[in-house]
Amino acid sequence: SQQGEEDPQALSIQEGENATMNCSYKTSINNLQWYRQNSGRGLVHLILIRSNEREKHSGRLRVTLDTSKKSSSLLITASRAADTASYFCATDAGYSTDSWGKLQFGAGTQVVVTP
Amino acid sequence: DTAVSQTPKYLVTQMGNDKSIKCEQNLGHDTMYWYKQDSKKFLKIMFSYNNKELIINETVPNRFSPKSPDKAHLNLHINSLELGDSAVYFCASSFGAGSPLHFGNGTRLTVT
Repeated sequence: SQQGEEDPQALSIQEGENATMNCSYKTSINNLQWYRQNSGRGLVHLILIRSNEREKHSGRLRVTLDTSKKSSSLLITASRAADTASYFCATDAGYSTDSWGKLQFGAGTQVVVTP
Repeated sequence: DTAVSQTPKYLVTQMGNDKSIKCEQNLGHDTMYWYKQDSKKFLKIMFSYNNKELIINETVPNRFSPKSPDKAHLNLHINSLELGDSAVYFCASSFGAGSPLHFGNGTRLTVT
């Protein structure tokens, strides 16, 4: 079953605007990761936030994590046409035998940035 | 300098055939994975190997058989292909549990 669920499913914005997408998950996590997938390509890791962190930045990306609400958000500031892609959150449940190395992905948010 | 490479990129075949997808990583990672992405973009783990040892087998039909000859390679063999096997298959690698994954560019399998 899917662990993470992204919201919205699709997002259309203009260049220069900010894009925000959310991820909710069900079970406790060790860390949460965000990935980008361009059309016809593999997923590319963007940022990892650990369960004891609340916010993380990387360039124009800002990720927040609220473990009490089991949710995370990804903000892309000053978006560019090149940011057009699908964005996925993935949860890592830690080192238990059952979940070792098993990243659970959501269905993604499709972001379209128009010039 | 491709980090995770998988071949072929496209695979079109008929029901009942047997096919293989190959994956190689040059990142020095210990762990490799196969993921399946369906038409709605759901990405689901199939297998994980750590140092050539099977770690995760996620209730995949036994028509799917992974093989890891060494920790830099993880191949996927599929017997008796079915229409429902049509999907994009991604190979990935990492330093282990909790580490970010590095993905290949996928193999689009179409079964007719």
